[in-house]
Amino acid sequence: GAGVSQSPSNKVTEKGKDVELRCDPISGHTALYWYRQSLGQGLEFLIYFQGNSAPDKSGLPSDRFSAERTGGSVSTLTIQRTQQEDSAVYLCASSWGWTSYEQYFGPGTRLTVT
Amino acid sequence: AQTVTQSQPEMSVQEAETVTLSCTYDTSESDYYLFWYKQPPSRQMILVIRQEAYKQQNATENRFSVNFQKAAKSFSLKISDSQLGDAAMYFCAYRNNNNAGNMLTFGGGTRLMVKP
Repeated sequence: GAGVSQSPSNKVTEKGKDVELRCDPISGHTALYWYRQSLGQGLEFLIYFQGNSAPDKSGLPSDRFSAERTGGSVSTLTIQRTQQEDSAVYLCASSWGWTSYEQYFGPGTRLTVT
Repeated sequence: AQTVTQSQPEMSVQEAETVTLSCTYDTSESDYYLFWYKQPPSRQMILVIRQEAYKQQNATENRFSVNFQKAAKSFSLKISDSQLGDAAMYFCAYRNNNNAGNMLTFGGGTRLMVKP
């Protein structure tokens, strides 16, 4: 079956612009995670969605970052007023639920802020 | 908070030889999972092997095995009969097993190079 997909694969934007990154999880997966992979900070958790529960936003680095998940499926990560330090690979993962040990990752979106 | 440390930024192994990647972690929890993920240049994170903390037996998946030392909070990955396709970044990761989201905490990664 189809895996986790993310779009765009690469995104170049100018400092100060807003960007939206999309994640399509595996069908039926109720849990969805966003991670960021950057040279300076390594791989870090950003936000977590589980079903209809309120998301866990504890990893978001600033209020310029937000995410939503519509209909319990597709998720969009939005970064407002992008800064150069936002340049990173943004990875999305999904799983059957919080009890499921395996998270399936997408190929990521490489964001470059110039 | 949990932390995961990989002390080897880069490792090199000859094809067909064996290599061990190190990982240590810190947690006050008793119920958790540990993982090794492989990330090739395609960026796709691939689960290599997992270990439940309550299991004393070390996990094995074909050429991949772990040495899990719970008291020492150590979780190393052994790759036997290394192949060119094993070249990648390897990340050690930790996850609680409770109802608090269970997000992964990653180590800094080890770049594995395989020499023909």
